[in-house]
Amino acid sequence: AQKVTQAQTEISVVEKEDVTLDCVYETRDTTYYLFWYKQPPSGELVFLIRRNSFDEQNEISGRYSWNFQKSTSSFNFTITASQVVDSAVYFCALLYSGGGADGLTFGKGTHLIIQP
Amino acid sequence: DGGITQSPKYLFRKEGQNVTLSCEQNLNHDAMYWYRQDPGQGLRLIYYSQIVNDFQKGDIAEGYSVSREKKESFPLTVTSAQKNPTAFYLCASSIVATRMSYNEQFFGPGTRLTVL
Repeated sequence: AQKVTQAQTEISVVEKEDVTLDCVYETRDTTYYLFWYKQPPSGELVFLIRRNSFDEQNEISGRYSWNFQKSTSSFNFTITASQVVDSAVYFCALLYSGGGADGLTFGKGTHLIIQP
Repeated sequence: DGGITQSPKYLFRKEGQNVTLSCEQNLNHDAMYWYRQDPGQGLRLIYYSQIVNDFQKGDIAEGYSVSREKKESFPLTVTSAQKNPTAFYLCASSIVATRMSYNEQFFGPGTRLTVL
């Protein structure tokens, strides 16, 4: 079975601080995909990144960066110099290549609050 | 513009009534999905469909039904058998998955269903 754990229910930081959102996953499959989505107050999920299990290279996109470590089954997300617009609920999700287009397994999300 | 539309944005239902949530996409995606989100929870998969006239149950299909008569449309019916239907419902779509590659899912703006 697949499982995604986001232990941080809510994080509150002051604008311009760096913040890291943790994601730990469980799967028995060797081929799988990890995702991060952002859910602003409007409700729509916005895709941020996809990573497959064979690509452990970290990625940076502007102020966002992701640290994928298979040894610890973690896929953490860091926002550098946070801004108020980063306030949202962030979801980590897992998809395994079981042969079908199954849906994603989501963590419960981390509510990020950036205070001005 | 290409995207996913869901209607209505807010829906109120009396107990014992069936209601249908609309989901339309013009992204030419083969796969479509329905998720349910409860407060403080991640998303849970209700149903998904990889091709027209075919769909599969997800983790919480009881009390729901779907149809996929057209590639662009994947309506979800919440039946009276669903004991606790009040939730936020999100529709998503993706390019059809293969064994070698899974693609990110794109989400609609959601429908908030309230049972009175």
